[in-house]
Amino acid sequence: DTGVSQNPRHKITKRGQNVTFRCDPISEHNRLYWYRQTLGQGPEFLTYFQNEAQLEKSRLLSDRFSAERPKGSFSTLEIQRTEQGDSAMYLCASSPRGRGPVETQYFGPGTRLLVL
Amino acid sequence: GENVEQHPSTLSVQEGDSAVIKCTYSDSASNYFPWYKQELGKRPQLIIDIRSNVGEKKDQRIAVTLNKTAKHFSLHITETQPEDSAVYFCAASSDQTGANNLFFGTGTRLTVIP
Repeated sequence: DTGVSQNPRHKITKRGQNVTFRCDPISEHNRLYWYRQTLGQGPEFLTYFQNEAQLEKSRLLSDRFSAERPKGSFSTLEIQRTEQGDSAMYLCASSPRGRGPVETQYFGPGTRLLVL
Repeated sequence: GENVEQHPSTLSVQEGDSAVIKCTYSDSASNYFPWYKQELGKRPQLIIDIRSNVGEKKDQRIAVTLNKTAKHFSLHITETQPEDSAVYFCAASSDQTGANNLFFGTGTRLTVIP
């Protein structure tokens, strides 16, 4: 499968614990996005990377959230001191070059997080 | 920031009938409008997109129309089939922002009744 992959697919954790999710974008895609989707809503933008540089973060991304893309390939999203309100589907998407017209974003299957 | 509204939230049609989903956007700088289909427990998948330099685009049973003046765009599915049942999301983006991130509507749950 050459599409965007995410791991784990499901995560159950207790409030206050830290969790980390991984996203592997489509090979050679320069742009990588993280979105959060809650039940009955559309995905909401969290942050994006152009290669290894994190260039924009949404106000939704509190200080407890951190994302990295160390070598411009895979990315990790970490949530520290999880809260019940963090329960959601975390989606990763990638797109090709990142210049000129907006390009199609291809989504991964998501990581569903449940904070008890 | 951009605000995308989507209607209806649920839609049931008989197999073979047409389905229409409508979205409005607020930011006149938006110039890219994709539609994603999301089946239960699966990833959002692009089904069609349109850019602001065209008013209509068609791909087999699926078409999208865009009215830049009114800031609204619509998805049309003809000859619906049971496998069209899913949640459909519209989105808007602009190449004038660095991120080109997508702003999504709240989704429409389409049910095609056999």
